[in-house]
Amino acid sequence: AQSVAQPEDQVNVAEGNPLTVKCTYSVSGNPYLFWYVQYPNRGLQFLLKYITGDNLVKGSYGFEAEFNKSQTSFHLKKPSALVSDSALYFCAVRPRNSGNTPLVFGKGTRLSVIA
Amino acid sequence: DTAVSQTPKYLVTQMGNDKSIKCEQNLGHDTMYWYKQDSKKFLKIMFSYNNKELIINETVPNRFSPKSPDKAHLNLHINSLELGDSAVYFCASSQDLGGVGYTFGSGTRLTVV
Repeated sequence: AQSVAQPEDQVNVAEGNPLTVKCTYSVSGNPYLFWYVQYPNRGLQFLLKYITGDNLVKGSYGFEAEFNKSQTSFHLKKPSALVSDSALYFCAVRPRNSGNTPLVFGKGTRLSVIA
Repeated sequence: DTAVSQTPKYLVTQMGNDKSIKCEQNLGHDTMYWYKQDSKKFLKIMFSYNNKELIINETVPNRFSPKSPDKAHLNLHINSLELGDSAVYFCASSQDLGGVGYTFGSGTRLTVV
């Protein structure tokens, strides 16, 4: 069965500094990988996904993530954090060619950007 | 137009009651899901339906009964509500079972008192 680990419950970063939110995964075969963001009292919004091709994926709001197969990681990054990036971030995975296997989410990482 | 819409947004009810949450998607997707987000924000799959057919039931108590009258709707009925059912319930859809991206509704916050 697939699983996702987000080792940090909370990440604090100063506005303007680079940010990284970590994600590692376990899945049989090759993965589809995703990042979603949840703002307070809102649903999950899609940020970016890795399907195939270039390991560096660019998404919404200036975020990017790099697929690293050898380290089974898909860390989320942004060169310069904004206060408005403060939210809960979820990494998710499903195996490629998985038929009816749904997305499995990590437990989430709360990002706090301080002005 | 909202792609995946859930109603109600908030639901407060007493233990033992029966309640329903409705979900509709206007994306033309074949597959719909219910996820539960507990107080620690952990998201867990409950059910998935493909073209009105139940595909996944992740050992959810049988007090929870999903119903899909057509592929654009997936409703969740909960009998004999318990305190532990308090959570945020998210509906989502994808193009098909192999669909790569999910679109989520804004959630229904259920509070059982």
